[in-house]
Amino acid sequence: QKEVEQDPGPLSVPEGAIVSLNCTYSNSAFQYFMWYRQYSRKGPELLMYTYSSGNKEDGRFTAQVDKSSKYISLFIRDSQPSDSATYLCAMISDSWGKLQFGAGTQVVVTP
Amino acid sequence: DGGITQSPKYLFRKEGQNVTLSCEQNLNHDAMYWYRQDPGQGLRLIYYSQIVNDFQKGDIAEGYSVSREKKESFPLTVTSAQKNPTAFYLCASTHQSKTGINTEAFFGQGTRLTVV
Repeated sequence: QKEVEQDPGPLSVPEGAIVSLNCTYSNSAFQYFMWYRQYSRKGPELLMYTYSSGNKEDGRFTAQVDKSSKYISLFIRDSQPSDSATYLCAMISDSWGKLQFGAGTQVVVTP
Repeated sequence: DGGITQSPKYLFRKEGQNVTLSCEQNLNHDAMYWYRQDPGQGLRLIYYSQIVNDFQKGDIAEGYSVSREKKESFPLTVTSAQKNPTAFYLCASTHQSKTGINTEAFFGQGTRLTVV
């Protein structure tokens, strides 16, 4: 079983809809959680970085962390065609271990 | 500007050759990582290093080697023992503060390696 599970999609939504992405994890040592956006043939770029359980908002993006359920989410409001990309969740433990990624979810926002 | 620089952007390797991918960071980050990404797949960890002169194998280390002689640099060598090296290679780094808090990870723009 992988330490981080993420549905690879693809997830297709119409422009303006809310995109909902999530990851589950099995290692309770993970304490820091990140979401990345990756366009084709480019390096991933950091969207959100969270530590504690709860919500964190940045513009159209909201990250949620539920450590008790080992579940994290990313919501994109008012989605645009430029949001079409692969979204990767990542996490790292307190003890400075490996940075582990989910498989990435491909999102397609149609005009 | 601070960041991670990977070079070259494209690399072609003949069968049986070793090639080295460069990764340099000026973020003063302690930990560095190498990932491999195949089409339609997620990132798989090859090697990571938490401090200078120390590194650990990731999930797919066979056929690869690394060194960490300087904090800023973490080169990856793809050896002839790697049977299927064609992939997109990504380097990343994180920082751990004195209080033990890890920062978010930053990535380079990747090196696309093709065997010809």
